[in-house]
Amino acid sequence: ETGVTQSPTHLIKTRGQQVTLRCSSQSGHNTVSWYQQALGQGPQFIFQYYREEENGRGNFPPRFSGLQFPNYSSELNVNALELDDSALYLCASSFPGSEQFFGPGTRLTVL
Amino acid sequence: DAKTTQPNSMESNEEEPVHLPCNHSTISGTDYIHWYRQLPSQGPEYVIHGLTSNVNNRMASLAIAEDRKSSTLILHRATLRDAAVYYCILRHSYNTNAGKSTFGDGTTLTVKP
Repeated sequence: ETGVTQSPTHLIKTRGQQVTLRCSSQSGHNTVSWYQQALGQGPQFIFQYYREEENGRGNFPPRFSGLQFPNYSSELNVNALELDDSALYLCASSFPGSEQFFGPGTRLTVL
Repeated sequence: DAKTTQPNSMESNEEEPVHLPCNHSTISGTDYIHWYRQLPSQGPEYVIHGLTSNVNNRMASLAIAEDRKSSTLILHRATLRDAAVYYCILRHSYNTNAGKSTFGDGTTLTVKP
């Protein structure tokens, strides 16, 4: 059974740029959630996708957007990057409401 | 959103039991109580979850108060590998329109040899 994978591992961008982060869910899981984790804090929920549709969103602006594909993999896109977007971005796959399996995360640094 | 409250840090001696508390006074009837832990430089790892009854698995036990406003994660014999940040979160039900999981800042568990 393949676990949740994320790419890239690390990324450095400058303010104003756009970034796309990718996540492959665990086999069979149809739900993907994305989280932002700042240093020393708990993960903050960005949004969740279930069967290719967004079905829950946290307090993040519209420049945070996502996609889920028919194979249930997912992308997180962030436009107009700001310094405060520097964080670890975590992806988690699951069945709706059940335990989540997290990937190792993508460390994004915005300069 | 329903939120959870946990102590910032706790210490334990190796091979002793650890009781990690969590308050969730605004829990709704369809919220599941989940526990995750996070080691440095890793994503969170699922530990256990429950709805109303106490739960056991190979990693830990979860004791849920009768009114469901609090719960306790029990590690029966702490090892050095159990040193991590432990998060108690509320996970909405299987309703596909409710997908949020609200994490707090968790409890940092230190295990002393």
